[in-house]
Amino acid sequence: QLVLTQSPSASASLGASVKLTCTLSSGHSSYSIAWHQQQPEKGPRYLMKLNNDGSHNKGDGIPDRFSGSSSGAERYLTISSLQSEDEADYYCQTWDTGIIFGGGTKLTVL
Amino acid sequence: EVHLLESGGGLVQPGGSLRLSCAASGFTFSSYVMNWVRQAPGKGLEWVSTISGSGGSTYYADSVKGRFAISRDKSNNTLYLQLNSLRAEDTAVYYCAKVAAMATIGALDYWGQGTLVTVSS
Repeated sequence: QLVLTQSPSASASLGASVKLTCTLSSGHSSYSIAWHQQQPEKGPRYLMKLNNDGSHNKGDGIPDRFSGSSSGAERYLTISSLQSEDEADYYCQTWDTGIIFGGGTKLTVL
Repeated sequence: EVHLLESGGGLVQPGGSLRLSCAASGFTFSSYVMNWVRQAPGKGLEWVSTISGSGGSTYYADSVKGRFAISRDKSNNTLYLQLNSLRAEDTAVYYCAKVAAMATIGALDYWGQGTLVTVSS
């Protein structure tokens, strides 16, 4: 069964970098994913599509501070030079016959 | 510029029905798979349903199969979700979302602002 696993929470200081992880279930390490950001009281916003080779395509207007990388079944979202507006929930998403979401990671900017 | 605008949410009693709409603009509507995703209060994102560009293929989460129906109208670039036999656990913000690549399911690259459905007596 295709499942995405994310840590429930993460934190980092203003101006620092943070790396969020999304793990694909066993047997699905070749799958691409997408990362989405949801700021408080707002709808989700597409950040990027991330392939198993680490290549990624970012959405319109997404700053260079956001980047993606891959290793095996793990997909990463790195945010550098953290700003207060980066405090949000981050969801990974993949697809098969339907759409699958990870449980989300709540990022706190200290 | 791609724009998705949901409407039709509201307060409905358990067992009732509602139809949600999503008006799409800024892209060739019939070329893209479209989706409904919901988010219960304080919870994560949950996929609800997907429809092919032609409307000929539809897919549903087990939690809504047999109760919800997705459809689309290319003449007015609108996506719909018919919600029947509503339960308290269907209370959520419902988002429509477009798939990035033409003619296939995949990454969701544009989202609407959402419409709130509240099921309560």
